[in-house]
Amino acid sequence: SAVISQKPSRDICQRGTSLTIQCQVDSQVTMMFWYRQQPGQSLTLIATANQGSEATYESGFVIDKFPISRPNLTFSTLTVSNMSPEDSSIYLCSVDRGLITEAFFGQGTRLTVV
Amino acid sequence: ILNVEQSPQSLHVQEGDSTNFTCSFPSSNFYALHWYRWETAKSPEALFVMTLNGDEKKKGRISATLNTKEGYSYLYIKGSQPEDSATYLCAFNNAGNMLTFGGGTRLMVKP
Repeated sequence: SAVISQKPSRDICQRGTSLTIQCQVDSQVTMMFWYRQQPGQSLTLIATANQGSEATYESGFVIDKFPISRPNLTFSTLTVSNMSPEDSSIYLCSVDRGLITEAFFGQGTRLTVV
Repeated sequence: ILNVEQSPQSLHVQEGDSTNFTCSFPSSNFYALHWYRWETAKSPEALFVMTLNGDEKKKGRISATLNTKEGYSYLYIKGSQPEDSATYLCAFNNAGNMLTFGGGTRLMVKP
């Protein structure tokens, strides 16, 4: 298993500002995943973060908007830059141990942009 | 883009009722189908990871079946309790590390 500590758990931010979300895992993992769930939508993968290389972004997500750091095998951050109300979502980080094993998630960050 | 659909979107049941929901997914390049329970303000928690066609898994009052040929999975809850209230997510893995999630079924169990 893996225990992931994610913070902040929630925040209300002004448009145009940036928020950095942190995830700390209790063990070393190769890949960490960042997801977003907009209101009424599916949980959608933003990017995969590998230690020692640039994150791999999914279609519709770009590094300038969602810069990711992965300084070591237990930690990652996602920044939501230049926020607008459309960025109001739940953001989740996740890890897994292989193709057919369960994924483990942080507690989520509920972001509201006003 | 992989299409993973869940129905219904939301469901209200009385305590003691049994219920079930559906997850449909592409039937090609199947690797695994995951079910998660996500309670408000908590982490999504894995219920089942299913890989074999015809597989049936059970955890207490919750069970799931899998049909990979036709691309669907059912999740059953027997004798629903208020603590079962949560969003139930399915996720499809097509042999990459990436999971594609359905929109979830939000279950509310009234005492």
